Amino acid sequence: DTAVSQTPKYLVTQMGNDKSIKCEQNLGHDTMYWYKQDSKKFLKIMFSYNNKELIINETVPNRFSPKSPDKAHLNLHINSLELGDSAVYFCASSQESTGREQFFGPGTRLTVL
Amino acid sequence: AQSVTQLDSQVPVFEEAPVELRCNYSSSVSVYLFWYVQYPNQGLQLLLKYLSGSTLVKGINGFEAEFNKSQTSFHLRKPSVHISDTAEYFCAVSDLVYAGKSTFGDGTTLTVKP
Repeated sequence: DTAVSQTPKYLVTQMGNDKSIKCEQNLGHDTMYWYKQDSKKFLKIMFSYNNKELIINETVPNRFSPKSPDKAHLNLHINSLELGDSAVYFCASSQESTGREQFFGPGTRLTVL
Repeated sequence: AQSVTQLDSQVPVFEEAPVELRCNYSSSVSVYLFWYVQYPNQGLQLLLKYLSGSTLVKGINGFEAEFNKSQTSFHLRKPSVHISDTAEYFCAVSDLVYAGKSTFGDGTTLTVKP
């Protein structure tokens, strides 16, 4: 069973479009995250969501919005896509009570044309 | 506020040689410390973690790291590397106070040459 899964694995789209990336974890964790990894491999946290509390990285444009229908899912919606949004997006989850080791999904490679 | 500095962006090393990847951190509160590895075209996976207790922690694949509180460092070591250790390595800290607050370093590319 996949612990943290993301769909789609690849996403190619035009500038200006709106797209969503889905994330699901079956570990029973209470915290989920979205990260952006650019072409230089730098990993930047975008959001974390813990027991319905959202922590937002202030540098993230408001075109990005996380949506959590329940504790096992944290989706990422992106409006008005720009060329600079091209990157690999990783979802992760952790459990507050057991040391916060993060389990990462396989990533979604987003290419904006 | 917290920050993580990985002192080497790239580390080339020959197979079977020892390696050390350096990580310094700063934080106004106590933190947990982690090393993650990312193989090409994959997500990150945990190598090892320091939560409390012994300052020398052992992880998977023969890696170990030592927590030094006075120097605020958490350097990763392996006595003898293999070609398969070629990957990106990330040091990370997690705030003990605020759930969901994590900071990653910029990564170190370890390249093991035959």
